[in-house]
Amino acid sequence: EDKVVQSPLSLVVHEGDTVTLNCSYEVTNFRSLLWYKQEKKAPTFLFMLTSSGIEKKSGRLSSILDKKELFSILNITATQTGDSAIYLCAVPDGSGTSYGKLTFGQGTILTVHP
Amino acid sequence: GAVVSQHPSRVICKSGTSVKIECRSLDFQATTMFWYRQFPKQSLMLMATSNEGSKATYEQGVEKDKFLINHASLTLSTLTVTSAHPEDSSFYICSAFRGGHYEQYFGPGTRLTVT
Repeated sequence: EDKVVQSPLSLVVHEGDTVTLNCSYEVTNFRSLLWYKQEKKAPTFLFMLTSSGIEKKSGRLSSILDKKELFSILNITATQTGDSAIYLCAVPDGSGTSYGKLTFGQGTILTVHP
Repeated sequence: GAVVSQHPSRVICKSGTSVKIECRSLDFQATTMFWYRQFPKQSLMLMATSNEGSKATYEQGVEKDKFLINHASLTLSTLTVTSAHPEDSSFYICSAFRGGHYEQYFGPGTRLTVT
C-alpha cells in the first residue's frame, strides 16, 4: 500500500521567514510526486516532480525530489500571510490498478503571522 | 486549467434525510472522478473512485450503501449521502481526472452539516 508522510504537521512562523516542508513516500512504481496548497476550498496544484535533483520553482516557492532517499521538500522563502494554508503532498497510484488515484499525506498546516 | 464545479457549496440537512452532491467537469471529459472527505485541519481522505458507466470502487471502511455514487456521464458524478447523521458532517471534495495526466482537478468542495 502506498504511503505518504508529511512533516511537520503544523508550523507557525512570522512574515519574512523561510520554511521547509517535508514529504516522504513509499510507493510501488513511482511515477511522480505532487504538491498542493489548500486554503478554504479545493486544493490548488503547485508542482509535479518526476526527476531527482531538478528544482521546480514558482516565485517564492520551490520544490525538489530525491528519488534515492524517497522524499521531497517544499521551500517557501520570504513568507507572507497569504501563504497560510494546508500544504498537501501526494503520489499517484503505482500499482497500476487504480489509474489516477492519489495517496495524500497528512498535510502541513502553515500559519504565517504578520 | 480545467474547471470542476460542485453543487451545492453548502448544505444543511436534518438527521435521517438524504443529500445529493453533484460534481461536474465543465471543459473536459473525465474518465474518472474521485470523492474525498476532509475533516477540519486534516488531509483529504479518499472515499471512492468513480468510473463512468461502471460501479464505484470504495475505500476500505467506507459504506457503499450509505454513500451512493453515480457516474452517469463523462462530465457528471453524484454522491448521495443516505440517511445522514451528524457524524457525516464534513467537507466533501470531488476531483476529476482525464487520463494521461497525473494531475487531478479539484472541485471547490461541499460543506455538509447534519443537524
